[in-house]
Amino acid sequence: SQQGEEDPQALSIQEGENATMNCSYKTSINNLQWYRQNSGRGLVHLILIRSNEREKHSGRLRVTLDTSKKSSSLLITASRAADTASYFCATDAPSNTGKLIFGQGTTLQVKP
Amino acid sequence: EPEVTQTPSHQVTQMGQEVILRCVPISNHLYFYWYRQILGQKVEFLVSFYNNEISEKSEIFDDQFSVERPDGSNFTLKIRSTKLEDSAMYFCASSAGPGRGYTFGSGTRLTVV
Repeated sequence: SQQGEEDPQALSIQEGENATMNCSYKTSINNLQWYRQNSGRGLVHLILIRSNEREKHSGRLRVTLDTSKKSSSLLITASRAADTASYFCATDAPSNTGKLIFGQGTTLQVKP
Repeated sequence: EPEVTQTPSHQVTQMGQEVILRCVPISNHLYFYWYRQILGQKVEFLVSFYNNEISEKSEIFDDQFSVERPDGSNFTLKIRSTKLEDSAMYFCASSAGPGRGYTFGSGTRLTVV
């Protein structure tokens, strides 16, 4: 698999349910970031977790990072219809140029 | 909240023409990037720019592409002799530094016909 692979590719849930998206990567990283993209729009930075962190919270978002398994998860609690979007993980490799490598993304649909 | 501004939002160009995509990064950011996203595909890194020079570029970023920071605020991506396969969303991003959060612009949708 490529750097920053996500699963599932698509997820459909009811409003109020939790949504969990997973990301795996292959190389060492400085940090891992999650982005959101509404259809046809730009990328919105959600959260950044550094390689020495294991868990991070921001509002209804919870991100975990397991560097031994080279994986991360994004949990959105109490989902809303407005959370419908594509979610991408991106890894920041230790190249000192800040280059991000994005995954294929998970398309989340939250039904009202 | 500071924003990265991209213009135009949509550009249609004839194959073989040159296009310039413009970006105004966040004023106190020092690192600038271009990414592209072909419809339905993942976001791909094109180039990073720091201290008035390219710090890293991908295989996609061949001689057809160039970047420039012509003044203290703009950051441009020039695509010479556009091809049909250059049709994509092009995103500009800026950052205060590697390992810091990135701010992306809303993108320019380039359509080559």
